[in-house]
Amino acid sequence: EAGVAQSPRYKIIEKRQSVAFWCNPISGHATLYWYQQILGQGPKLLIQFQNNGVVDDSQLPKDRFSAERLKGVDSTLKIQPAKLEDSAVYLCASSLRGQGITGELFFGEGSRLTVL
Amino acid sequence: GEDVEQSLFLSVREGDSSVINCTYTDSSSTYLYWYKQEPGAGLQLLTYIFSNMDMKQDQRLTVLLNKKDKHLSLRIADTQTGDSAIYFCAESKAGQLTFGKGTKLSVIP
Repeated sequence: EAGVAQSPRYKIIEKRQSVAFWCNPISGHATLYWYQQILGQGPKLLIQFQNNGVVDDSQLPKDRFSAERLKGVDSTLKIQPAKLEDSAVYLCASSLRGQGITGELFFGEGSRLTVL
Repeated sequence: GEDVEQSLFLSVREGDSSVINCTYTDSSSTYLYWYKQEPGAGLQLLTYIFSNMDMKQDQRLTVLLNKKDKHLSLRIADTQTGDSAIYFCAESKAGQLTFGKGTKLSVIP
């Protein structure tokens, strides 16, 4: 079974530039999550999708971050304009039925963003 | 303060037992989890425990839950060099996972 795919693995940009990350979840997984993991910290949920609808985006900085999952499969996360504090690893995860059942989220390897 | 707290570092000798501790805040958490993150990789679910249990054993892993003190621990028996990683405790709150900062386990050969 193919895992969660993310790209690019690494991205270096200057502040005020824009960047987009892509995620393809495990086939059949209805729930998709984007997490931000700053160095030395645990992952923090940015947004959760159920199929193509947003379940929770309360911690997404909507003035600069946006995410979509138009067809209920793959998803993109965009940052525009980027700030220095956005330097982090952006992790995508998917699950069959959403967290709170057994909590098994399957994570991708992440996209590491460096903002200079 | 943080919702989920863990010590940041643990160093053990190969073959010894490792114990990683965690405190959480939400007494209504249904499940508590341990995830493992190897360098350059995403998180992988190691084990979880339902809140009405106080212990769960899975091969070399033992999870202990003290609901009264909101304390969770992960014991790894016969720790191997391949166990070197960051271990995250997480609680389920309002249907979402909140992670601790992670404990970096270093195994000395």
